[in-house]
Amino acid sequence: AQTVTQSQPEMSVQEAETVTLSCTYDTSESDYYLFWYKQPPSRQMILVIRQEAYKQQNATENRFSVNFQKAAKSFSLKISDSQLGDAAMYFCAYRSTNDYKLSFGAGTTVTVRA
Amino acid sequence: ETGVTQSPTHLIKTRGQQVTLRCSSQSGHNTVSWYQQALGQGPQFIFQYYREEENGRGNFPPRFSGLQFPNYSSELNVNALELDDSALYLCASSRGLAGTDTQYFGPGTRLTVL
Repeated sequence: AQTVTQSQPEMSVQEAETVTLSCTYDTSESDYYLFWYKQPPSRQMILVIRQEAYKQQNATENRFSVNFQKAAKSFSLKISDSQLGDAAMYFCAYRSTNDYKLSFGAGTTVTVRA
Repeated sequence: ETGVTQSPTHLIKTRGQQVTLRCSSQSGHNTVSWYQQALGQGPQFIFQYYREEENGRGNFPPRFSGLQFPNYSSELNVNALELDDSALYLCASSRGLAGTDTQYFGPGTRLTVL
């Protein structure tokens, strides 16, 4: 079974600054997908960014980028130029190519200070 | 918003009762997955339906069951409710089973078991 670990329960960042969220995972597979989802308070969970393991290039979506280290099984999320609307719980998730379920970490709560 | 809707928003039941939760998938999506999210934790996969058939199941007892209808909406049924069933229940729909098919989440149903 795949295990996803987010070691930072909470992170705080000043508006306009950068914050990096950590995620590690355990798998014996060589091909898989990794995701970061954002869950604002009382709002729907939305996909922030996705990374295919066979792609060496790190995914980027506007102010969000990842640092994917396949050998280290590490998948961190960097939020640049943080905005008040970035405040949310962020979940790292893993999906095998042989399975269809998402395996989630415990989440990191991000607080943005004005 | 993702286009995935769930009903009801909140529900209070007593131990031993039965509950049915409903999910309407996004237009064009034929796959629905259900997740249980306990307070302060990441979502846990319950099961998935693809074209009206159960396609995979997580570590949940048989008293958790589901259905998918011809319009691809879905129900989650839980019998003999236990206190530990108190959680946010999320459904997610996707266009198919490919790894590139993003799962879009609904707002969830908050179930409280007393």
